[in-house]
Amino acid sequence: DIQMTQSPSSLSASVGDRVTITCRASQSIKSYVNWYQQKAGEAPKLLIYGASILQSGVPSRFSGSESGTDFTLTISSLQPEDFATYYCQQSSGLPPYNFGQGTKLDIK
Amino acid sequence: EEPLVQSSAEVKKPGESLRISCTTSGYSFTSYWIGWVRQMPGKGLEFMGIIYPGDSDTRYSPSFEGQITISVDRSSATAYLQWGSLKASDTAVYYCARVGATHRKAFDIWGQGTRVTVSS
Repeated sequence: DIQMTQSPSSLSASVGDRVTITCRASQSIKSYVNWYQQKAGEAPKLLIYGASILQSGVPSRFSGSESGTDFTLTISSLQPEDFATYYCQQSSGLPPYNFGQGTKLDIK
Repeated sequence: EEPLVQSSAEVKKPGESLRISCTTSGYSFTSYWIGWVRQMPGKGLEFMGIIYPGDSDTRYSPSFEGQITISVDRSSATAYLQWGSLKASDTAVYYCARVGATHRKAFDIWGQGTRVTVSS
């Protein structure tokens, strides 16, 4: 199975900050990485798929990039509603399509 | 109307069986894979498995194979997740989610989650 190692596990930041979260895949997965946001008590929400394609309706301050087996989610200027937990997921080849361990982003 | 609506919370005893549901609407049920995701209390998301309602092709994560059964009822556009004998460690919130057709196999729509509590 392909494993996703996500870092950091937690992050404190302020409104207006630029934030990056990284996932490293255990093997080549091309661009088959997705990013989700989950707020407390809610279902996850898809933000980015295919490593860098913004899901419809998601603000443009969210972006994704890749370099080899490293994938990054960037929030360019944090807004109060962005404080949540973020997960990466790989969806390459056959299942299982494993998730990263999650990054909890809270207010500094 | 929400595209994926899950059944209500359940409280069960160890050893009991359970089936929870995910009823879909507003799209062609048989044309999209549907998956199940576990979230144990205070923990992250875990991929359990996916099913293609068109032909019931089912793929399980090795971590869950043999422990759960994923199925569908095409007549009611509903997907199911079931256990034959629950354990306390099955206590979690379970989400169903649709695999988007043009989303590089990402889960583009999610149900609201079903909380399952297993306790004696």
